[in-house]
Amino acid sequence: RKEVEQDPGPFNVPEGATVAFNCTYSNSASQSFFWYRQDCRKEPKLLMSVYSSGNEDGRFTAQLNRASQYISLLIRDSKLSDSATYLCAVKKTGGFKTIFGAGTRLFVKA
Amino acid sequence: EAGVVQSPRYKIIEKKQPVAFWCNPISGHNTLYWYRQNLGQGPELLIRYENEEAVDDSQLPKDRFSAERLKGVDSTLKIQPAELGDSAVYLCASSSFRSVNEQFFGPGTRLTVL
Repeated sequence: RKEVEQDPGPFNVPEGATVAFNCTYSNSASQSFFWYRQDCRKEPKLLMSVYSSGNEDGRFTAQLNRASQYISLLIRDSKLSDSATYLCAVKKTGGFKTIFGAGTRLFVKA
Repeated sequence: EAGVVQSPRYKIIEKKQPVAFWCNPISGHNTLYWYRQNLGQGPELLIRYENEEAVDDSQLPKDRFSAERLKGVDSTLKIQPAELGDSAVYLCASSSFRSVNEQFFGPGTRLTVL
């Protein structure tokens, strides 16, 4: 079993839709959680960190469920420009190594 | 502020040939990472440097891969000899001690081994 797992998708949604991705992690010692966005043939860029209390940044909301060991990303009012691959990433307590999931592909259609 | 710079952006070589990738991190970032990203996968850490010291190279295939970060700034990743399975995107990233959780990635080097 992979340490970080994501549904590869693709998710095909119309503009304006709400879409959510989950990411599960296997190591209960994981302490820090992140969502990265990666456009086609580009480098990953940090979208947002995921805090225990959940956090929101505009149309994006990230949540953490430690009991079930998953993090989620909710995108409201999808834009064409949201089309990308969304990578989740985790770090263990006191560690510097970031483990990435394989990513979930999102296509937003007009 | 300039981002992480990598070169070359693309490299095509025949198997058994050597290849080297270069990375210049963001100025002032003491931590430098080399990742490999295969098609349809997330980045996988190869090696992490704190200044000039390699502090995590457990995932680096040491029989053919080597890396260095002289003077704690630029870094070079080398493969010798390259194998077909080495075809991937090699990403360099850096972070500062003030914000260790935020890694900034370079554009990557896309390696094709024929």
